[in-house]
Amino acid sequence: ETGVTQTPRHLVMGMTNKKSLKCEQHLGHNAMYWYKQSAKKPLELMFVYSLEERVENNSVPSRFSPECPNSSHLFLHLHTLQPEDSALYLCASSQEYGTGGGTQYFGPGTRLTVL
Amino acid sequence: GQNIDQPTEMTATEGAIVQINCTYQTSGFNGLFWYQQHAGEAPTFLSYNVLDGLEEKGRFSSFLSRSKGYSYLLLKELQMKDSASYLCAAMDSNYQLIWGAGTKLIIKP
Repeated sequence: ETGVTQTPRHLVMGMTNKKSLKCEQHLGHNAMYWYKQSAKKPLELMFVYSLEERVENNSVPSRFSPECPNSSHLFLHLHTLQPEDSALYLCASSQEYGTGGGTQYFGPGTRLTVL
Repeated sequence: GQNIDQPTEMTATEGAIVQINCTYQTSGFNGLFWYQQHAGEAPTFLSYNVLDGLEEKGRFSSFLSRSKGYSYLLLKELQMKDSASYLCAAMDSNYQLIWGAGTKLIIKP
């Protein structure tokens, strides 16, 4: 059982489609994260939100657009993706961001395939 | 640059002990995390070390040597369900996690 949920679990989209990934955390945390996980590569941090404000944007292409309407929800809007964007997209949350913020807890991820 | 090294894959036998090593180079250091990730599932938190020494949690223990930039995860009495990837991550001076690529552990009967 996890306090972080993600939908959908699997997504197949064409390069011209627009889709959104959703993450919800039920842990009362103040920080939320998007990561990209590709096979045999380290987790890549994409975005960080703290108290609904974006605090990190690690040189992510503009075809990925995050949104954090409140501290419990995080979205990743996708448009005109490339096949190399196919990966597992993980959402995580922690009590705080920075100052040791605490352990990050992950959702199960969305397996994205771009055709 | 910042870097985490851990073996890509390890194989061990059910009931045995296995040690997964991790070396790190970071700008500053605020602790070392280990996560377990079963295929198709979320990474789940196993341990956090910030001081030198060994921390034991049931069948799993984690060790840290800050002077050597080294940690290991020790799994005892291996069970088939321990087959998973084990991710090492070091927290740098900006409290960002630097991740390793993970060690895939295969348990054989």
